[in-house]
Amino acid sequence: RKEVEQDPGPFNVPEGATVAFNCTYSNSASQSFFWYRQDCRKEPKLLMSVYSSGNEDGRFTAQLNRASQYISLLIRDSKLSDSATYLCVASGGSYIPTFGRGTSLIVHP
Amino acid sequence: DAGVTQSPTHLIKTRGQQVTLRCSPKSGHDTVSWYQQALGQGPQFIFQYYEEEERQRGNFPDRFSGHQFPNYSSELNVNALLLGDSALYLCASSSTGTSRTDTQYFGPGTRLTVL
Repeated sequence: RKEVEQDPGPFNVPEGATVAFNCTYSNSASQSFFWYRQDCRKEPKLLMSVYSSGNEDGRFTAQLNRASQYISLLIRDSKLSDSATYLCVASGGSYIPTFGRGTSLIVHP
Repeated sequence: DAGVTQSPTHLIKTRGQQVTLRCSPKSGHDTVSWYQQALGQGPQFIFQYYEEEERQRGNFPDRFSGHQFPNYSSELNVNALLLGDSALYLCASSSTGTSRTDTQYFGPGTRLTVL
């Protein structure tokens, strides 16, 4: 079993839709969680940190469920420019940062 | 505010050769991590440098080595290149000892092709 798992997708949604991604992690010692966005052949860019009960930034909401060991990312009112791969990562303490393989999102007109 | 920079952007080598990749961290950051990202995969952690020492290491062979300089910049060296080393190599910087220790910012990467 991989340490951090994501559904690779692709998620194909129309503009304006709400889409949610989940990411599960196996190491309960993980302390910090993040979502990154990666465009094709570019570097990952930090989208959001996810601490304790989660947080919201505009159209994006990230949640952490420690009991079930997963984090989620909700994107409301999807834009064409949201099309990208979304990577989750678990890290912290002596645990090396571990990325999922990413979830591909395609937003179409 | 300068972000993370990496050089070169692209590199083509042949099997058995050695390569050195370079990274300068974001201004104010003192910690550098290196990742390998194969096509269709997430970044895989190679190692992290802080105070000029390797602090953590992922599951990579000894052919992968690194160095951090007093100005916090870093190098990744790969010896005896294999075809499977072809990937995007990413450098990420962070600031140890702050509330955002685990928050990493990535450079644009070096795309290595081994023929």
